[in-house]
Parts: sequence; structure tokens; C-alpha cells
Amino acid sequence: SQQGEEDPQALSIQEGENATMNCSYKTSINNLQWYRQNSGRGLVHLILIRSNEREKHSGRLRVTLDTSKKSSSLLITASRAADTASYFCATDATSGTYKYIFGTGTRLKVLA
Amino acid sequence: GAGVSQSPRYKVAKRGQDVALRCDPISGHVSLFWYQQALGQGPEFLTYFQNEAQLDKSGLPSDRFFAERPEGSVSTLKIQRTQQEDSAVYLCASSLRSGRGYEQYFGPGTRLTVT
Repeated sequence: SQQGEEDPQALSIQEGENATMNCSYKTSINNLQWYRQNSGRGLVHLILIRSNEREKHSGRLRVTLDTSKKSSSLLITASRAADTASYFCATDATSGTYKYIFGTGTRLKVLA
Repeated sequence: GAGVSQSPRYKVAKRGQDVALRCDPISGHVSLFWYQQALGQGPEFLTYFQNEAQLDKSGLPSDRFFAERPEGSVSTLKIQRTQQEDSAVYLCASSLRSGRGYEQYFGPGTRLTVT
């Protein structure tokens, strides 16, 4: 079973547009990470946001975290064809374990 | 520098066979994670090592699954008496420090098909 759930499951946009994907989770967390997975490079870490942070930026990526709603969003601005991939959020589960729980993923397709 | 490597990249096993999957983490990384990823799903946690100590094996689905990291570097995931439901991609990840809250570097995975 997976804690995180990304929304939408699939997203198709034109190159240059922005893409927003959301992640909801169930239990309290210390941090949340976003990863990208494509067939060429496997799973790659994008950004980590801690529970005491509300927003974080990295290049064209912007992540927000709302712990009261147990949700996070990933915004990719000015998308490129190379951004085509699946995007996953991962949360650290309850204390006492070392488990990271990944969501079901959003499949993003950027059309040239 | 070199990233995380896994071998073999593909493995076909007949039901009932034992398999061993290898992970070479980034040199000096303390933490090592194993995940199982089914088609169209996110990775699911199997087990965690801090150096040679297996501190969490709560995700191992059955006692047919066994993992070790005897010298705190290379790790092996062994699956005994494979079943069709074991077919998946097995991913290994390492991170520099112990515990959670740090970037994980993933290997390319081993795709296991049980026939």
C-alpha cells in the first residue's frame, strides 16, 4: 500500500506551458521529496522540502508544502520535451522506521 | 564519479528458482535502501541498511526475501523460491548520511521476470 497519491495521474501539455502536479499523504511527515523517473535516467531526485518549510525553488521547479492539508505541489515552469517523465512524491513515514513511501506518480507528457 | 550500479539489469527466473540481485552504492554512502517497483506504480520500500546493519526490514514481503550488506558497501537482495508475483523492478538507492531526510541516489534497477 502506498501513502502518497499524486494528482493528476496523467498530464499532457505543450512545450512552454507550466505543469502542476499534486501529492497528498496521510500521516505526519518530517520531509517530502520529489523524484522524476524516465526510461533513460531512472529515478532522479529533484527537491526535498522539510516540514517546517512552505515553499522551495530549484531552477524551473517550485515546490509547496501544506502540512495542515497534508499536501504538496510541484510546479514546472516553461516545460520542455525533456521534462516528459513520471513524477513521484516520497514521504518519510511514521517514526520508528526508515521507510520512505512513494506515491503512485503523475505521468507528464510535454509535446513539442 | 560513478553512480549506483546494479546487476544484472535483467533476470528471467523460472518459478521456484533462487535469485540474487547485486547493488553497488556510491562509495562512502552510509545508507542503502532496496525498493520493489511494479509496473505503473511507485517504488515500495523493502529494507534499509546503515553501513552493515540492517535497521529496517519491515517492507520485505515474505521470509523468502533476504538482504545483506556484510562490509557496509555492496548489498545483495536474495529471493528464494521465486513466485510470479515477485516479477518487478528492484531498485537500490544510497544516500550519504544515515537515516532519512537526505537525497537518495538510485541505480538503474534489475527487472526480474518470473515465468
